Amino acid sequence: EAQVTQNPRYLITVTGKKLTVTCSQNMNHEYMSWYRQDPGLGLRQIYYSMNVEVTDKGDVPEGYKVSRKEKRNFPLILESPSPNQTSLYFCASSLLDSDNEQFFGPGTRLTVL
Amino acid sequence: GNSVTQMEGPVTLSEEAFLTINCTYTATGYPSLFWYVQYPGEGLQLLLKATKADDKGSNKGFEATYRKETTSFHLEKGSVQVSDSAVYFCASGDNYGQNFVFGPGTRLSVLP
Repeated sequence: EAQVTQNPRYLITVTGKKLTVTCSQNMNHEYMSWYRQDPGLGLRQIYYSMNVEVTDKGDVPEGYKVSRKEKRNFPLILESPSPNQTSLYFCASSLLDSDNEQFFGPGTRLTVL
Repeated sequence: GNSVTQMEGPVTLSEEAFLTINCTYTATGYPSLFWYVQYPGEGLQLLLKATKADDKGSNKGFEATYRKETTSFHLEKGSVQVSDSAVYFCASGDNYGQNFVFGPGTRLSVLP
């Protein structure tokens, strides 16, 4: 089944404790992206990647890191999480073509205490 | 950069009512336009899309037409059902992964 998976689905952590949210897709998509969803703000793009070893900042990259060592994986790293990073995070992927349709993972709900 | 504006919610309708959710976009080029739907506790699913002016996207009774002259992509459905209750996001994206942006979302509640 073609899908985007994220782990963990739920995470409660404390300020300053490094964490990684994994994202993996099995559709051989070149493009992958991370978003955060906050009430009243919709989805805001954190980082995106157009291919292996190619990443770029989205609208709200501060406090986050990403890597793209393999085509299928695009982990989101919070080196020192803070309470303002409490949010619902979505990973997405798509082919790099004129259509640009994105497929979304199920989401990761992160709470930073 | 590109941006998307959509009507504020929440929108509450009775079953079988007509639905319109307005969406307008700003872009320097000619983006593809999308409507995504998020059901409670789930991720986003593509509802419909249009890739060029005058295209009409349709799915599950929902429709939206890419209007270049008014930079709009309004979502419509003739007769909503309780199962349509969800949050709807309008989005635009340039070709090849560039400038993908979402509107703030509109929460729709359909009452029996």
